[in-house]
Amino acid sequence: DGGITQSPKYLFRKEGQNVTLSCEQNLNHDAMYWYRQDPGQGLRLIYYSQIVNDFQKGDIAEGYSVSREKKESFPLTVTSAQKNPTAFYLCASSSTEQETQYFGPGTRLLVL
Amino acid sequence: GNSVTQMEGPVTLSEEAFLTINCTYTATGYPSLFWYVQYPGEGLQLLLKATKADDKGSNKGFEATYRKETTSFHLEKGSVQVSDSAVYFCALNTNAGKSTFGDGTTLTVKP
Repeated sequence: DGGITQSPKYLFRKEGQNVTLSCEQNLNHDAMYWYRQDPGQGLRLIYYSQIVNDFQKGDIAEGYSVSREKKESFPLTVTSAQKNPTAFYLCASSSTEQETQYFGPGTRLLVL
Repeated sequence: GNSVTQMEGPVTLSEEAFLTINCTYTATGYPSLFWYVQYPGEGLQLLLKATKADDKGSNKGFEATYRKETTSFHLEKGSVQVSDSAVYFCALNTNAGKSTFGDGTTLTVKP
């Protein structure tokens, strides 16, 4: 079955620590996205990538970093510079920029 | 820049009631428009979409028509069920690669 997976489901971060959220897709999609969702709010775009080895900042990129070394993988690192990281993080992919986005199940990040 | 404005929630309806969730947008160019649904603790799933003016998207009894003249894409369903309880997001994509989502509307359907 084709799909998009995220791991872990829950992640705990200590003060000053960097953590990396995994996102993998086997849909052969070119475009991948990372969103942040806060309680009762919509999705805010962190980073997106339209092709391997290239990515662009979204609306709230500060304190986050990404890489796109392989077509199927788009990991997100939440750095210690992100002072309020507690949120639900969603990864998505699409075949082109205008097409339907397919979402993973999400990772909930909590700060200890 | 692009923006999507959705009807504020929460919306509470009785089973078999008629549903409308309003969505209006501003965008440069010719965006594709989408409705996604999110169940508790999960990611978003596509509900329906429309890629050009006057297109009607439909799925599972839900419908929305792409109205360029009013820049709207309102979601409707004639008879809601308890299982339709979820958060609904209106969104647009442009060929610039960035997607814009509304803030979401929480729907609760009571038996």
